Amino acid sequence: QVQLMQSGAEVKKPGSSVKVSCKTSGGDFSTYALTWIRQAPGQGLEWVGRIIPIAGKPNYAQKFQGRVTITADGSSTTVYMEFSSLRSADTAIYYCARTSCSGNKCYFANWGQGTLVTVSS
Amino acid sequence: DIEMTQSPSSLSASVGDRVTITCRASQSIDIYLNWYQQKPGKAPTLLIFAASSLQSGVPSRFSGSGSGTDFTLTISSLQVEDFATYYCQQSYRTPRVTFGPGTKVDFK
Repeated sequence: QVQLMQSGAEVKKPGSSVKVSCKTSGGDFSTYALTWIRQAPGQGLEWVGRIIPIAGKPNYAQKFQGRVTITADGSSTTVYMEFSSLRSADTAIYYCARTSCSGNKCYFANWGQGTLVTVSS
Repeated sequence: DIEMTQSPSSLSASVGDRVTITCRASQSIDIYLNWYQQKPGKAPTLLIFAASSLQSGVPSRFSGSGSGTDFTLTISSLQVEDFATYYCQQSYRTPRVTFGPGTKVDFK
């Protein structure tokens, strides 16, 4: 039974940084992709980036390049997303999700509960 | 990026109704298409993967079809617990996945 447990809500000032964690349990941590997806209030879902722990090198959405860093810690089976230079438009719920695949058809079968990040002066 | 659109953006229905939601991709994505359900204050849950494969534990009243650019999610007989927002998602360009804007299903 795969479970993803995220850290708690954050309130940040514009220009600051936030680091959100996603603790995984069950399954093989190293070989599955962990993805970060965000959802602004009342809006849809937006891919932020992902990491495959065994591969190490993360991928990021173009619009967040330079502001987001995703890392993985195998010893604690936890993935982290750090977002810098925060602005009000970054106010959103941030979800981690684990990728599963049927052959080469991949999907997000397991999601964390979400972490609300509020950026406000 | 592959753009995903959905129609309608919202619909009103009654328990027992047959509901159909369509999703269109800006280019062919074969069957690399997934559907999710999201209820208020909750994370999305997977309903359908690879366009038509039902995720384990999902009721059989949910079905998906399509390939290429046009896809459909059908709920054969709407239940109270199905009132939610539904999103399609392409995985053709993994890891750079994109989601549709969502279709909200509410009470008529």
